[in-house]
Amino acid sequence: SQTIHQWPATLVQPVGSPLSLECTVEGTSNPNLYWYRQAAGRGLQLLFYSVGIGQISSEVPQNLSASRPQDRQFILSSKKLLLSDSGFYLCAWRGRDTILFSPLHFGNGTRLTVT
Amino acid sequence: AQTVTQSQPEMSVQEAETVTLSCTYDTSESDYYLFWYKQPPSRQMILVIRQEAYKQQNATENRFSVNFQKAAKSFSLKISDSQLGDAAMYFCAYRSAPKAAGNKLTFGGGTRVLVKP
Repeated sequence: SQTIHQWPATLVQPVGSPLSLECTVEGTSNPNLYWYRQAAGRGLQLLFYSVGIGQISSEVPQNLSASRPQDRQFILSSKKLLLSDSGFYLCAWRGRDTILFSPLHFGNGTRLTVT
Repeated sequence: AQTVTQSQPEMSVQEAETVTLSCTYDTSESDYYLFWYKQPPSRQMILVIRQEAYKQQNATENRFSVNFQKAAKSFSLKISDSQLGDAAMYFCAYRSAPKAAGNKLTFGGGTRVLVKP
């Protein structure tokens, strides 16, 4: 069965420090991968998605970047964190179009607090 | 770009009663998918129910059912026989047709459901 791992679960970082959140998927190959952010009490905003190794699409301009160095690994990074980067970050994956109706499967999320 | 609107920030329901959550969306596409996700206090996102736009029959999953009105671009969720475990944030989401780049999900702002014992 497929599983998704996201870490760390919580993170407190000072303003100006770097960031690296990691997400890996097991039990599937060539998935679509996504990074979402959820501000407190609000909906999910898509930050990045990837349809293959090295292929990253950014949805909104921001202080963050994403990379996909391996097929099932998706990394969210920042060189210098801002206070506004605080939030709940969710990684998700979806199977390829052979399963047209497949939903997104989410990781457990990372709560990031920038101080 | 598609947008999803959930006009009810919070809904309260008595245990064993029924509650309906509203969702409207804006799109020019004819082929798409709609989803309801539940986010309990653990913050894990859990799929509740899904609907294909070309199917007129409303989807049902146990106590959860939808009222899909394609012409009105409305996709409401009904929770019957509400249980304490149903207390959570509920998000409506839209996804374009299969060949759209990335098959991204667009989420509404969420509705918090409170269940009173």
